[in-house]
Amino acid sequence: QSVLTQPPSASGTPGQRVTISCSGSSSNIGSNTVNWYQQLPGTAPKLLIYTNNQRPSGVPDRFSGSKSGTSASLAISGLQSEDEADYYCAAWDDSLNGVVFGGGTKLTVL
Amino acid sequence: QVQLVESGGGVVQPGGSLRLSCAASGFPFSGYGMHWVRQAPGKGLEWVAFIRFDGTNKYYADSVKGRFTISRDNSKNTLDLQMNSLRAEDTAVYYCAKWGSWKGAFDIWGQGTMVTVSS
Repeated sequence: QSVLTQPPSASGTPGQRVTISCSGSSSNIGSNTVNWYQQLPGTAPKLLIYTNNQRPSGVPDRFSGSKSGTSASLAISGLQSEDEADYYCAAWDDSLNGVVFGGGTKLTVL
Repeated sequence: QVQLVESGGGVVQPGGSLRLSCAASGFPFSGYGMHWVRQAPGKGLEWVAFIRFDGTNKYYADSVKGRFTISRDNSKNTLDLQMNSLRAEDTAVYYCAKWGSWKGAFDIWGQGTMVTVSS
């Protein structure tokens, strides 16, 4: 059971907009920034969004993040087939003194 | 280029030990906190351990506390994970990851090394 809660799956057709939610608590998302990682099949995770809504260099602006209270969300607009991957949210937890992850959301492009 | 390369994975019997290493290059290793993160087959990501840039502070997940030890050698740009009393549930791909900032994101990941605990 993961500390952060994500839907196990999401789907959309090419060109659509999809959002993935991430729910936590006051000790993690409520008091720290949220980061999102993309893991393509058979590869290591890659940083997608940091500090709630910042994109690293090279990440398309189709990807955006937001945070409100103890929840966060990742939005992907103009969905493309290469976006098919697992997406994880993560944050530092002040009570656990460690990083907590969501269980991951498998995105399928129909 | 900025890179993390893990090594040391393999097959070990329950109760056994294994030492993982992570070689860093392309960035000032001694200036950044480092982590180990693992992923069991078909499962999600699980944080394992953290070490401060200077090695003075270490944190562990409850699932590995007392069995795993994280360490670093800033003169060699290496990060290690000593794993003792291994259990079947420790079977996973182990990634080392660079912490971009305190309580921030893992901005660089290694390719991972597989650890299988089985008799």
